[in-house]
Amino acid sequence: DGGITQSPKYLFRKEGQNVTLSCEQNLNHDAMYWYRQDPGQGLRLIYYSQIVNDFQKGDIAEGYSVSREKKESFPLTVTSAQKNPTAFYLCASSIIGYNEQFFGPGTRLTVL
Amino acid sequence: AQKITQTQPGMFVQEKEAVTLDCTYDTSDPSYGLFWYKQPSSGEMIFLIYQGSYDQQNATEGRYSLNFQKARKSANLVISASQLGDSAMYFCAMRGGSARQLTFGSGTQLTVLP
Repeated sequence: DGGITQSPKYLFRKEGQNVTLSCEQNLNHDAMYWYRQDPGQGLRLIYYSQIVNDFQKGDIAEGYSVSREKKESFPLTVTSAQKNPTAFYLCASSIIGYNEQFFGPGTRLTVL
Repeated sequence: AQKITQTQPGMFVQEKEAVTLDCTYDTSDPSYGLFWYKQPSSGEMIFLIYQGSYDQQNATEGRYSLNFQKARKSANLVISASQLGDSAMYFCAMRGGSARQLTFGSGTQLTVLP
């Protein structure tokens, strides 16, 4: 089945540790996105990429890093510089020029 | 800068009745798109409906319709014949101009009562 997968579903991390969230899509979409959602709030854009080996910062990029070495994959690293990383992280993808973004099931990150 | 405002943190509706979820937006781009997404308690985001700023007619998708009033900068979602499975968080979002990313509102929690 075509779609977006995110792993793991739940992730626990100690303070001061970096952690990488996985996002893979087999929809052949060019664009991929990372959003953060805090309880009771909407989504905020962290990073996005429209083509392999290129990405742009979103509204809240500080403390995060990404890579786009393959079209299918857009991993997000939450670094120790991110002051409040506990949140729900959603990955999305879309065809350039089309309107709809397709979302993955999300990863819930908790910092202990 | 773009902004989406959803003023209803929570809404209740009786099963089989219609409900309107409010959304107002602000943008200086002449070309933009408006979206509604549904987020069940599982967390996934489900695309419901899209309205382009130049579309002449209001968008409809099954039981969902978008009441687009451009002069008032509003894009309300209407759900007809509510079902218990419609209970979820609903987000309005906008994509402006050449931007690819979406700007989201804070959401409305809809509860359908039996």
